[in-house]
Amino acid sequence: DQQVKQNSPSLSVQEGRISILNCDYTNSMFDYFLWYKKYPAEGPTFLISISSIKDKNEDGRFTVFLNKSAKHLSLHIVPSQPGDSAVYFCAAKGNTDKLIFGTGTRLQVFP
Amino acid sequence: DADVTQTPRNRITKTGKRIMLECSQTKGHDRMYWYRQDPGLGLQLIYYSFDVKDINKGEISDGYSVSRQAQAKFSLSLESAIPNQTALYFCATSSSSNQPQHFGDGTRLSIL
Repeated sequence: DQQVKQNSPSLSVQEGRISILNCDYTNSMFDYFLWYKKYPAEGPTFLISISSIKDKNEDGRFTVFLNKSAKHLSLHIVPSQPGDSAVYFCAAKGNTDKLIFGTGTRLQVFP
Repeated sequence: DADVTQTPRNRITKTGKRIMLECSQTKGHDRMYWYRQDPGLGLQLIYYSFDVKDINKGEISDGYSVSRQAQAKFSLSLESAIPNQTALYFCATSSSSNQPQHFGDGTRLSIL
């Protein structure tokens, strides 16, 4: 049973526009959520996180929104840049040390 | 230099062979993790360790073992490799439970 779901395998966005990546989870005990970015032949790189006591966290062009009632989080990138083209994973954890990852969304930002 | 280093980066081997993947870190983190990633899937936790004397099974530990030789070193072994263990393997570290994990660049393992 997939506890963290990224239902869009891919997303294509024009440079300068907003990219919105979505993630749904099923476990109400999750209280810490992260987004990772992964380039080919490299490991995932931490991007931004949010704890369940907040509904928004912002870092430069990246904002994560958390809707606990809907068990949904999203990552907004604005403006999108070609260098943002990568695979994005959301991940969640509860009161254990185990991170549960989604299957990833491949973002392509074109000129 | 990379903070989390995995060796080898690529390995091709045969069914039944014993394989060891190594991970070392210079971040000074106590917590270390091993994950595998299969095509089209997210990362799945194999084993994790909070310190040298603490080893814990993850979601998919069957067929794998680990050794935490020092705070900075955490190795993953496949005692008798089988083809469905062909995957991308990642090591990660973190300083505490609510801090992000930092990943190495992965080992691509192919078992024929």
